[in-house]
Amino acid sequence: DSGVTQTPKHLITATGQRVTLRCSPRSGDLSVYWYQQSLDQGLQFLIQYYNGEERAKGNILERFSAQQFPDLHSELNLSSLELGDSALYFCASSEGEGVTYEQYFGPGTRLTVT
Amino acid sequence: GENVEQHPSTLSVQEGDSAVIKCTYSDSASNYFPWYKQELGKRPQLIIDIRSNVGEKKDQRIAVTLNKTAKHFSLHITETQPEDSAVYFCAAYQRYGNKLVFGAGTILRVKS
Repeated sequence: DSGVTQTPKHLITATGQRVTLRCSPRSGDLSVYWYQQSLDQGLQFLIQYYNGEERAKGNILERFSAQQFPDLHSELNLSSLELGDSALYFCASSEGEGVTYEQYFGPGTRLTVT
Repeated sequence: GENVEQHPSTLSVQEGDSAVIKCTYSDSASNYFPWYKQELGKRPQLIIDIRSNVGEKKDQRIAVTLNKTAKHFSLHITETQPEDSAVYFCAAYQRYGNKLVFGAGTILRVKS
């Protein structure tokens, strides 16, 4: 158990819908990262927040957005969902701002878009 | 941006043999290279990492080597065991965007 929690574990929704994935980092960690893992594309970095502020952006679609709240939990919002958005979404947390701090991954949320 | 290529995509070894996974990167400014192990249905976990100021790092049966000139780094697992079976991802720090770029992963199967 990494100490990072994600809810829900599984999510099944229809195309065009909007969903929110939630992540609680390890106690004391200030950075939260979001990753998308699909079968054909491996692990893709989406976005990073540090202490409430966006720090780095990866291949995140405009239909996706995220935020980190004052209690440091983070939410990833996915809208206008398409079949291709079906994937495993991981969040990870780390103590510091830079990527050289070890990232601890949560168990992931499996999103299925039908 | 950074491009990380990982080979092979699948690797089968006999228990007790060694396994080597190689990655190449493109950003000469990359200075941090972690390796993650992901067991089936589980989360990725950091197993070892190396920074650009060293050429090799070991942790028990696992070692990572870095060749900055050739821009490649490798994961070496010795005396493989069935529990080493997993997907292994390499990653490299990309200065532009301040992020990690991951390789596509290697499925390692250790046959007993």
